[in-house]
Amino acid sequence: NAGVTQTPKFQVLKTGQSMTLQCAQDMNHEYMSWYRQDPGMGLRLIHYSVGAGITDQGEVPNGYNVSRSTTEDFPLRLLSAAPSQTSVYFCASSDLTGNTEAFFGQGTRLTVV
Amino acid sequence: GQSLEQPSEVTAVEGAIVQINCTYQTSGFYGLSWYQQHDGGAPTFLSYNALDGLEETGRFSSFLSRSDSYGYLLLQELQMKDSASYFCAVFTGGGNKLTFGTGTQLKVEL
Repeated sequence: NAGVTQTPKFQVLKTGQSMTLQCAQDMNHEYMSWYRQDPGMGLRLIHYSVGAGITDQGEVPNGYNVSRSTTEDFPLRLLSAAPSQTSVYFCASSDLTGNTEAFFGQGTRLTVV
Repeated sequence: GQSLEQPSEVTAVEGAIVQINCTYQTSGFYGLSWYQQHDGGAPTFLSYNALDGLEETGRFSSFLSRSDSYGYLLLQELQMKDSASYFCAVFTGGGNKLTFGTGTQLKVEL
């Protein structure tokens, strides 16, 4: 049972480049979400999804796009990377039918230069 | 929007008891969760309170007062491995949205 898998673990981008952070879960969870974590800021919600075809914005959605074509996958796209997007990104999933524990991936450490 | 307040740092000695408080302001509150995160690692789930009262899981307990918009995490018999960041988080919006506080860094000393 792999849980939540994020790739890549580390990434360096140049300003203006685009990329996709991958997130996959094998627990058949309806709820998936993306957070960014910056020093002293905690985990801030970027986008989330309650099922395939349904996504919504969190606190800090600007500069990011998401889609949810399958239950398993929830990729996060950076459209035009900026230094302000240097952060650690976490994907999480949970079961909405009563189990409230969110499972996190191991994170992607992104640096934009 | 939602806001959650926690102390930024707490220091305690091994074997002691420590309480980490969390106050929140939110609409559509469903429940309060606690997560632990060691340096360089991913957050891991500790507890969830949907109703008022105390939930106990081993050395960790979590409390919620919905009327006071307040909760706390109680760690007993502190061990060095408990040194980590602890986050409270609220479920809102039909239980669909999980919003985190800024975290409390716990340092356990000998």
